[in-house]
Formats: sequence, structure tokens, C-alpha cells
Amino acid sequence: NAGVTQTPKFQVLKTGQSMTLQCAQDMNHEYMSWYRQDPGMGLRLIHYSVGAGITDQGEVPNGYNVSRSTTEDFPLRLLSAAPSQTSVYFCASSYDGGTQYFGPGTRLTVL
Amino acid sequence: GNSVTQMEGPVTLSEEAFLTINCTYTATGYPSLFWYVQYPGEGLQLLLKATKADDKGSNKGFEATYRKETTSFHLEKGSVQVSDSAVYFCALSDYNNAGNMLTFGGGTRLMVKP
Repeated sequence: NAGVTQTPKFQVLKTGQSMTLQCAQDMNHEYMSWYRQDPGMGLRLIHYSVGAGITDQGEVPNGYNVSRSTTEDFPLRLLSAAPSQTSVYFCASSYDGGTQYFGPGTRLTVL
Repeated sequence: GNSVTQMEGPVTLSEEAFLTINCTYTATGYPSLFWYVQYPGEGLQLLLKATKADDKGSNKGFEATYRKETTSFHLEKGSVQVSDSAVYFCALSDYNNAGNMLTFGGGTRLMVKP
């Protein structure tokens, strides 16, 4: 099993550009989520999904969109990138939302 | 809402020293508690967890006990190694909040010197 995979590993954007961060898991987990990691603030929940076709907002959802058309994939879209979105983004999946399995992360810089 | 507070780092120790990283939480329900570890350049890995009061989680020599009376889940290890150098995150999940997703503390960087 590959576990949770994320692409790309690194990305540089200009302010106002859009992009999609990809996340996939092969563990047949119903729950998937996106977190951002900023220095001294731990990880904060952006959006999550408890199953295909179901998404909800977390603590910091503004500026991001998600969709869940399949169990395996949970892409995160930045609609119009801003410097405040410079961060490391982690995707995670879980069986029941408790114990999370994390991907390797995407380091995003917005200029 | 739920929150997790852990001691700020960095914590610098010599090899074979005793480690304690403090973690306290606030939750509206009956949360599960976790410690995750992040090695340089990597994602987070589950280190240990406890799902109810007085449970002790343990793994790789690390231990933490779920103390409901003090709302704490302190991480301990009797003898640290250089390979334990990493960032440690305390977290909780609560079925009554955000689909049981994790609420994290700010992380504590541990540096172990030979």
C-alpha cells in the first residue's frame, strides 16, 4: 500500500494564481482531511470529508475549496492564491476520524 | 471549542536524559488523545494514543497517561536518543466536533545532543 500520497511536493505561485493540491489514499478510508502547518501554530484543519460526496469546513476554510467525488481522492483547490496561504499542507485519511494517517506534505510559497 | 496547549520548545537534552513534554487540553466532550511525531522533512506519524480516562499509551519507550482530572496527557521517555530529535504534537479528537478530526497543539521541538 502506498498509504496517503500528495502532489506536488513543492510549489511556488504568484498572488492571484489558482492551483489544485492532489491527495489520494489506497486504504479505503471514508474520512479524509486537509490541514495547514504554520510555525508555532501546529496544524489547523481546513476542510474534511466523512465520505464520497460529503465535505465540510474546518477551522480555516476561507480561500480553499474541496470536493470528494471518489473515496480515494480529495483535492484541495486554491482559488486565488495570497501570501497568507504560504504554508505546508498535509492531507490525511482515517477509518473513523480519530487516528489520522498523513501524507508527506506539500510546501507552498505564494509570492 | 476544543483546544490543546503544549509546552513551547525547543527542548534540548543530552542523550539518555529523561524527557517530559507537557500537554493540557480543553474539550466539550470525551476526547481521544494523541501524540504525533514529525521528523525533519516528513509528515506526521502517530506515536501513541489513549481513548479514555486513565488509559496509558506507549510506543518506542514513550508513554503518556490520559488524566481527566487534570485534563492532561504529558509525554515522557526515560532515556532519549539522538534519533528522537523531532517535533512532537499533542492532539485530540472529539466525536462531537468537526467529524472527529484532530485539534493540535503548537508542537514542541526536541533536540537531543550526543
